[in-house]
Amino acid sequence: NAGVIQTPRHKVTGKGQEATLWCEPISGHSAVFWYRQTIVQGLEFLTYFRNQAPIDDSGMPKERFSAQMPNQSHSTLKIQSTQPQDSAVYLCASSLYRVATEVFFGKGTRLTVV
Amino acid sequence: GDSVTQKEGLVTLTEGLPVMLNCTYQTIYSNAFLFWYVHYLNESPRLLLKSSTDNKRTEHQGFHATLHKSSSSFHLQKSSAQLSDSALYYCALSGGAGNYKYVFGAGTRLKVIA
Repeated sequence: NAGVIQTPRHKVTGKGQEATLWCEPISGHSAVFWYRQTIVQGLEFLTYFRNQAPIDDSGMPKERFSAQMPNQSHSTLKIQSTQPQDSAVYLCASSLYRVATEVFFGKGTRLTVV
Repeated sequence: GDSVTQKEGLVTLTEGLPVMLNCTYQTIYSNAFLFWYVHYLNESPRLLLKSSTDNKRTEHQGFHATLHKSSSSFHLQKSSAQLSDSALYYCALSGGAGNYKYVFGAGTRLKVIA
């Protein structure tokens, strides 16, 4: 079990460019979460999927952020027209869809917008 | 909505002294679950311990925490800090049945010095 895999580990984009982050959840896990990690906010919830269906995207900045899960083996987080304030570590996590089950995180993608 | 507060951004301790990291929360769910996750540098955040039982001590890897619903607190403690405990610690909340979103606090960085 390789755990949750996130690619790339580091990404540098110019202001206004698009960034796509990839996540491969643990096989058999039906819930996939995206979080943004910053020093000020900590782990900020963005969105999550259950069995590939979007359940809650209340944390997503509406205008430029989107997330998809086209199949059970991967999810993407896309940021259009990136801004310097988008610079952060983006963490993907997966779990079984059960109450209070452990959430397993990937190592994250560090996005830097210059 | 649900929220988790970790007031200390950084706690610096000398090795051998006791550890206490504070966590308070707000939720409408009477059966909410509280978690502590630990994030070591260059690794993925991982579960340290969890609880949903009022006034019951939960222990793992030398750390312990007791959920107190009367004060909405779930403080993390350890009797004697070790250098290897230096990490980022997140308190998290999940509302329970039907609510699988995990809400995290801003995190507390624990730095243990010799």
